[in-house]
Amino acid sequence: DSGVTQTPKHLITATGQRVTLRCSPRSGDLSVYWYQQSLDQGLQFLIQYYNGEERAKGNILERFSAQQFPDLHSELNLSSLELGDSALYFCASSVVAGLADQETQYFGPGTRLLVL
Amino acid sequence: GQQVMQIPQYQHVQEGEDFTTYCNSSTTLSNIQWYKQRPGGHPVFLIQLVKSGEVKKQKRLTFQFGEAKKNSSLHITATQTTDVGTYFCAGHSNDYKLSFGAGTTVTVRA
Repeated sequence: DSGVTQTPKHLITATGQRVTLRCSPRSGDLSVYWYQQSLDQGLQFLIQYYNGEERAKGNILERFSAQQFPDLHSELNLSSLELGDSALYFCASSVVAGLADQETQYFGPGTRLLVL
Repeated sequence: GQQVMQIPQYQHVQEGEDFTTYCNSSTTLSNIQWYKQRPGGHPVFLIQLVKSGEVKKQKRLTFQFGEAKKNSSLHITATQTTDVGTYFCAGHSNDYKLSFGAGTTVTVRA
């Protein structure tokens, strides 16, 4: 158990819909990261927040957005869903802001999204 | 943009044998991390390498960071069934972005 929690574990929805994935980081961690893992794309970094502010952006679509709240939990919003958005979405947290020599990321169990 | 390539994609190993997985970046990295993901699980941090030419060992696992800080390797000796999973490398560029390799999925023949 990494200490990072994600809800829901599974989500089945239809194309065109909007969903929200939730992540609670480990106690004391200020940084939250979101990743998408699909069979043909591997692990793709989407976005990182540090203490409520966006820190780094990866391959995140415009249909996707995220935020980190004052209590440090984070939500990833996926809208206008397409079949290709079906994937495992991981949240990870770390203590520091992403300074390259100080960061270890702890991954949550993931949310498996299926778009039908 | 930065790309991290990992080879091989799949590694089928006889129990007791050694193998190596390689990670190459198109740009110089600030550091490199290795993660292991068991089937059905989530990535778990294994180690981080920061210095040019750095070598670190964890029991049967040996991690190396290249002199130019653009490549890395993970060598596992005497493979066991517990080594099954996907091993990812991830490199930090100077703008804090972390790029993951596609992973090497390891299966072990008993």
